[in-house]
Amino acid sequence: GENVEQHPSTLSVQEGDSAVIKCTYSDSASNYFPWYKQELGKRPQLIIDIRSNVGEKKDQRIAVTLNKTAKHFSLHITETQPEDSAVYFCAASIGDYKLSFGAGTTVTVRA
Amino acid sequence: NAGVTQTPKFQVLKTGQSMTLQCAQDMNHNSMYWYRQDPGMGLRLIYYSASEGTTDKGEVPNGYNVSRLNKREFSLRLESAAPSQTSVYFCASTSWNTEAFFGQGTRLTVV
Repeated sequence: GENVEQHPSTLSVQEGDSAVIKCTYSDSASNYFPWYKQELGKRPQLIIDIRSNVGEKKDQRIAVTLNKTAKHFSLHITETQPEDSAVYFCAASIGDYKLSFGAGTTVTVRA
Repeated sequence: NAGVTQTPKFQVLKTGQSMTLQCAQDMNHNSMYWYRQDPGMGLRLIYYSASEGTTDKGEVPNGYNVSRLNKREFSLRLESAAPSQTSVYFCASTSWNTEAFFGQGTRLTVV
């Protein structure tokens, strides 16, 4: 099955700095790569996703890059704010129906 | 529009007791999922239902059973709860490699 590895497991950044989270996957057939944000005690919610026919996607302060050859994708958050503090999960599709999730990155933005 | 609703929010069971977690979605999604979330392990797939009438095992199915009652509802049953099943459980739904929507979670403790 798909194996998604996510690094780092924890990340502390100064407010205003950038944060980068990296994921690798094993199944070359994966074609959908979403990122979820989970605030404490809440449900995971999609923040951005990318498909295999696109190398980069940006939405305001958030961007995702995908390197299909190397089988890795990354989340970039610029100008971090306190409300960006949360757990972030990457995921990769398995076939048409399933997602395999990384173990998560706890991001803390220091004021 | 409620999205994905799961019940209960909290539950404490004694070892050996049984219970059913309920999940319903009102977005006309084809696929539904049950995940468990444990610290440092991300979201692990227990069972999924690609479409009404089908169910399949995920990564960690042992000790669980599911029923896709109709297109809207997907339940998870623990026949004989064990302390190792202490976790936060999330139901999710999607339509084939698009955004997955999660329920609010069930915090289950088995003593």
